[in-house]
Amino acid sequence: DSGVTQTPKHLITATGQRVTLRCSPRSGDLSVYWYQQSLDQGLQFLIQYYNGEERAKGNILERFSAQQFPDLHSELNLSSLELGDSALYFCASSVADGHYGYTFGSGTRLTVV
Amino acid sequence: DAKTTQPNSMESNEEEPVHLPCNHSTISGTDYIHWYRQLPSQGPEYVIHGLTSNVNNRMASLAIAEDRKSSTLILHRATLRDAAVYYCIPLTGNQFYFGTGTSLTVIP
Repeated sequence: DSGVTQTPKHLITATGQRVTLRCSPRSGDLSVYWYQQSLDQGLQFLIQYYNGEERAKGNILERFSAQQFPDLHSELNLSSLELGDSALYFCASSVADGHYGYTFGSGTRLTVV
Repeated sequence: DAKTTQPNSMESNEEEPVHLPCNHSTISGTDYIHWYRQLPSQGPEYVIHGLTSNVNNRMASLAIAEDRKSSTLILHRATLRDAAVYYCIPLTGNQFYFGTGTSLTVIP
């Protein structure tokens, strides 16, 4: 157990639907990062939050959004889902700036049918 | 972002040392070099990081070239559990940008 908790572990949904992925960071970590991993794209950085504020954006689609709550857990919202959104979604956390590395969760496998 | 080049795949015999190379010729002077690995169906796992000098921890050693344009991750005795994709990532800013990594196969 890495200390980063992601729920659900698996999610199957239909095209056009909306889903929410949840991440609880490791205790004491203020930063949360979201990554998408698909077979043809590898691990893609989506977005970072630090202590409730958006810190950096990567290759995140406009149909996707995220937020970090006062208790530091984070949610990634994916809407108008397409078949191509099927992927593993990883959350990671770090104390602050990632200098000493990230701790990753075990991921949520999203399948869009 | 600093660009990295790693072999797509490598093989090693079990209980032998493995040297995983990485070229990062565009790295800036303040970018730490991080290594992560990803076992099948799991999230990436931190392995080691360093700036200029060689580093050791319980998992591996990191040898950094004097000009910092390359580094080598050393697994002293490969085990079957070390079979994974290994990523070399210069930390630029606060975000890690993963490349394609090296897929390590450990042969019993």
